[in-house]
Amino acid sequence: EPEVTQTPSHQVTQMGQEVILRCVPISNHLYFYWYRQILGQKVEFLVSFYNNEISEKSEIFDDQFSVERPDGSNFTLKIRSTKLEDSAMYFCASKAGLAEKLFFGSGTQLSVL
Amino acid sequence: QKEVEQNSGPLSVPEGAIASLNCTYSDRGSQSFFWYRQYSGKSPELIMSIYSNGDKEDGRFTAQLNKASQYVSLLIRDSQPSDSATYLCAVNREKNYGQNFVFGPGTRLSVLP
Repeated sequence: EPEVTQTPSHQVTQMGQEVILRCVPISNHLYFYWYRQILGQKVEFLVSFYNNEISEKSEIFDDQFSVERPDGSNFTLKIRSTKLEDSAMYFCASKAGLAEKLFFGSGTQLSVL
Repeated sequence: QKEVEQNSGPLSVPEGAIASLNCTYSDRGSQSFFWYRQYSGKSPELIMSIYSNGDKEDGRFTAQLNKASQYVSLLIRDSQPSDSATYLCAVNREKNYGQNFVFGPGTRLSVLP
């Protein structure tokens, strides 16, 4: 069964460093998302991406964040200068169409020290 | 008013009982609704989707939707200890351009053996 793949599963970084989280969405999907979940809290929307551009972003997704789809398969989230409060599980998700189901990757646990 | 609301729980039910999980949403234009199960430290896993008013059954799970009341519920029959998890209600807000899933905070379910 097709699945969303995320790498790495764990990332430890120093405050102020840049990190890139990588995702390979399901191959025929058109809509791509990043969510994050701070330990013990709710799943929070960061950004949605469609037709090679950001379609919506939340207040969390400030100038330190960016997304890119550099080729036909990868979808990346970059945090330019990490802060302690960026420590969270980051989930990539994708879906095939407007009203379709959203499928999640297994997540990247980011720890900022 | 929060966009998607759920009782945080924990909801405790004995093994074999029916667990009832509830969700309300604020956007009347929402068209598709989903229930996800999330085990601790894992990504959300889709268990049910519902698009029209009424009941939808899948195995031990029944989703119920009432758009007039802006209410979605999930019933789990013959609850098992393995059903112990956090259940996330998600609403797909469809827009002409850009859209995202909005998740509720989740209800923690504990099935007691």
